[in-house]
Amino acid sequence: DQQVKQNSPSLSVQEGRISILNCDYTNSMFDYFLWYKKYPAEGPTFLISISSIKDKNEDGRFTVFLNKSAKHLSLHIVPSQPGDSAVYFCAASAGWDAGNNRKLIWGLGTSLAVNP
Amino acid sequence: DTEVIQTPKHLVMGMTNKKSLKCEQHMGHRAMYWYKQKAKKPPELMFVYSYEKLSINESVPSRFSPECPNSSLLNLHLHALQPEDSALYLCASSQEPGQGTYGYTFGSGTRLTVV
Repeated sequence: DQQVKQNSPSLSVQEGRISILNCDYTNSMFDYFLWYKKYPAEGPTFLISISSIKDKNEDGRFTVFLNKSAKHLSLHIVPSQPGDSAVYFCAASAGWDAGNNRKLIWGLGTSLAVNP
Repeated sequence: DTEVIQTPKHLVMGMTNKKSLKCEQHMGHRAMYWYKQKAKKPPELMFVYSYEKLSINESVPSRFSPECPNSSLLNLHLHALQPEDSALYLCASSQEPGQGTYGYTFGSGTRLTVV
């Protein structure tokens, strides 16, 4: 049962345009959401996050929007650059576990290709 | 120093071999993690160490044995692995346990092939 869903396995956009990556979730207890970017043969790199008390968080070219009623979040990249070509993972977290850690639930990823 | 360093980058081992993966960070992070990632799949949590103590074991087979010698080092000892264990093994660290998962820092991983 996939609690975090990225329904588009891949996305292709033109350089300079906007890239919109979507993520849906089913667990209403999730209170923290993160986006990670991953290049082949490398570990994921933290990109941007958002707490459930907000509906938007912006960091440079990256903006994450959260719609709690729709259980939907999206990552906007503007303008898209060829170096943004990577797999983007959405992850969510629901509070602390017994070890006082936050456990991440990951989506399956969306492969973004930005064409020059 | 803001990175997680994993060695080796690539490892090929036979099913009867014993090998170890190593992970090191000097950011003062008190939580360290082992993840396994197969192609086109998200990272899958294996183990979590908080303050050098094992706090989560995600029902990982005993052929994988983690060890945390000190707050900067995390090892994963491998013995009698199966070909299906071939994957990218990722180490990650984060600040004080309970301080949130933002800022997980991942290493580049060890690409393990079991033959």
